[in-house]
Amino acid sequence: DTGVSQNPRHKITKRGQNVTFRCDPISEHNRLYWYRQTLGQGPEFLTYFQNEAQLEKSRLLSDRFSAERPKGSFSTLEIQRTEQGDSAMYLCASSMGQGQETQYFGPGTRLLVL
Amino acid sequence: SQKIEQNSEALNIQEGKTATLTCNYTNYSPAYLQWYRQDPGRGPVFLLLIRENEKEKRKERLKVTFDTTLKQSLFHITASQPADSATYLCALEAAGNKLTFGGGTRVLVKP
Repeated sequence: DTGVSQNPRHKITKRGQNVTFRCDPISEHNRLYWYRQTLGQGPEFLTYFQNEAQLEKSRLLSDRFSAERPKGSFSTLEIQRTEQGDSAMYLCASSMGQGQETQYFGPGTRLLVL
Repeated sequence: SQKIEQNSEALNIQEGKTATLTCNYTNYSPAYLQWYRQDPGRGPVFLLLIRENEKEKRKERLKVTFDTTLKQSLFHITASQPADSATYLCALEAAGNKLTFGGGTRVLVKP
């Protein structure tokens, strides 16, 4: 257990529905990252926050995806109008930043879109 | 374009032997490189970080080398054990400290 928690661990939804995932990072960590991982591939960067500011978004993150970190603590990732291609493991990671580069990953949320 | 390549074929190895995994990259000049372990259905777990000015790093039975001229890192597991069976991911730092991962290499250690 790295200290990063994600909820839910599993989500099954029908195409077109909206889903929201939550990530609670290690409390003293300033940076929070979201990644997506499909079977047999490494994680792909989606977006990251420094405190409450969203500093970068990948081109992978379509307009249907939005992420927030309102108070610089937990973060949410919402997918609107889900598509079957959104089925993947969504991973959250946190780090202290300021030269401390190690990222600590949560257990992930596995999404299946039917 | 930037690429990170790891051997996609699984590595089957006998217990007690040394497993050696390769990570090659192109069009990167990373300040550091990291190796993670991932078990099925779980998030990656950090193992080792090596900086561009370091040639070698060790942690218990793990050893990582980093050759910025060859653009390659080697990851060694010595005296391998069945508990070492997992997927091992190589990751490079990009701007903003975000990580770009290779596809991972699955290691299976047979007793």
